[in-house]
Amino acid sequence: GENVEQHPSTLSVQEGDSAVIKCTYSDSASNYFPWYKQELGKRPQLIIDIRSNVGEKKDQRIAVTLNKTAKHFSLHITETQPEDSAVYFCAASSNDYKLSFGAGTTVTVRA
Amino acid sequence: DADVTQTPRNRITKTGKRIMLECSQTKGHDRMYWYRQDPGLGLRLIYYSFDVKDINKGEISDGYSVSRQAQAKFSLSLESAIPNQTALYFCATSDYPTGEGNIQYFGAGTRLSVL
Repeated sequence: GENVEQHPSTLSVQEGDSAVIKCTYSDSASNYFPWYKQELGKRPQLIIDIRSNVGEKKDQRIAVTLNKTAKHFSLHITETQPEDSAVYFCAASSNDYKLSFGAGTTVTVRA
Repeated sequence: DADVTQTPRNRITKTGKRIMLECSQTKGHDRMYWYRQDPGLGLRLIYYSFDVKDINKGEISDGYSVSRQAQAKFSLSLESAIPNQTALYFCATSDYPTGEGNIQYFGAGTRLSVL
């Protein structure tokens, strides 16, 4: 089955700086890569996703890049704000549409 | 998302007890999932169902069973609870894939403690 590795496990950044989280996947058939954000005590919610026919996708301050050859994808958050503090999960899926999640990254934005 | 409701929200039980966690949804989705979340391990899939007559094991199904009573209801049972099943459990739903991917919508979670 699919194996998704996520790094780093924790990330502390100064408000206004950028944050980058990286994930690798093992199954070359994976073609859908979502990112979920989980605030403290809340449920995971989708923040951005990318399909394998696209190399990059942006939505305001967040962007995701995908390198199919290397089988890795990354989440970029620019101009971080306190409300960006949360746990972020990457995931990968192939055509059966089950999601395999990474272990999560706890992001702390320091004021 | 209030469209995916989990009950109970918190539960404390004893080793060996049978417990059921319930999930209902008003989103009209065919696909439903049960995950458990443990610190440092992310979200791990326990069982999933793509329609009422379809039940599939996930990566960590041992010690768990499920029932898909209707399109809107998907229950997770622990037949004989053990302490290492202490975790946060999430139910999720998704629509039939339309080419836009598999967006999953999560319930608020059930925090289970097995003593």
